[in-house]
Amino acid sequence: NAGVTQTPKFRILKIGQSMTLQCTQDMNHNYMYWYRQDPGMGLKLIYYSVGAGITDKGEVPNGYNVSRSTTEDFPLRLELAAPSQTSVYFCASSLGQIQPQHFGDGTRLSIL
Amino acid sequence: DQQVKQNSPSLSVQEGRISILNCDYTNSMFDYFLWYKKYPAEGPTFLISISSIKDKNEDGRFTVFLNKSAKHLSLHIVPSQPGDSAVYFCAASATGTASKLTFGTGTRLQVTL
Repeated sequence: NAGVTQTPKFRILKIGQSMTLQCTQDMNHNYMYWYRQDPGMGLKLIYYSVGAGITDKGEVPNGYNVSRSTTEDFPLRLELAAPSQTSVYFCASSLGQIQPQHFGDGTRLSIL
Repeated sequence: DQQVKQNSPSLSVQEGRISILNCDYTNSMFDYFLWYKKYPAEGPTFLISISSIKDKNEDGRFTVFLNKSAKHLSLHIVPSQPGDSAVYFCAASATGTASKLTFGTGTRLQVTL
């Protein structure tokens, strides 16, 4: 039972490069989320989706884009990477309202 | 504006004793509260939750208490075990917001022998 799987686990990017963080879940959850965690801080919501084809912004969406073409996958795209995007990124999913979110193990991203 | 606050960055407790982790919130629309546990290099793991219609929820060694009038919740771990050493995050959401979570900054619990 894989749960939420994130790839890659680590990545170093140069300023201005772009990349896609992958997230897939095998629990048939409708809701999916992307968070970032900076050192000493809590997780902050970047984007979320309540189903295939539906996405919306969270608290810190600038510099990111998402898509949700299937129930299973929710990739996060970084365009023109900036040092401020150095962080640990977590993907999560949940069955629906008033349900706990289940998290992947994160992608540690450094922008140099 | 930090809507969920964990004012204790760290806590050290002896094995077998009670650990009490605290969390305060300011948004009165929050009606679902969760505690997550996080080990280094892993994602947060769901521990226990409580909805605003309750004031207590238990699951084994873990109990969460909610005081709505004070906008305060706490997680009690009894008895504490060395494997409980981790960072604990409090999180909250409001009905109708697609279960979007607002997290506190975490409390690092160390359970000593």
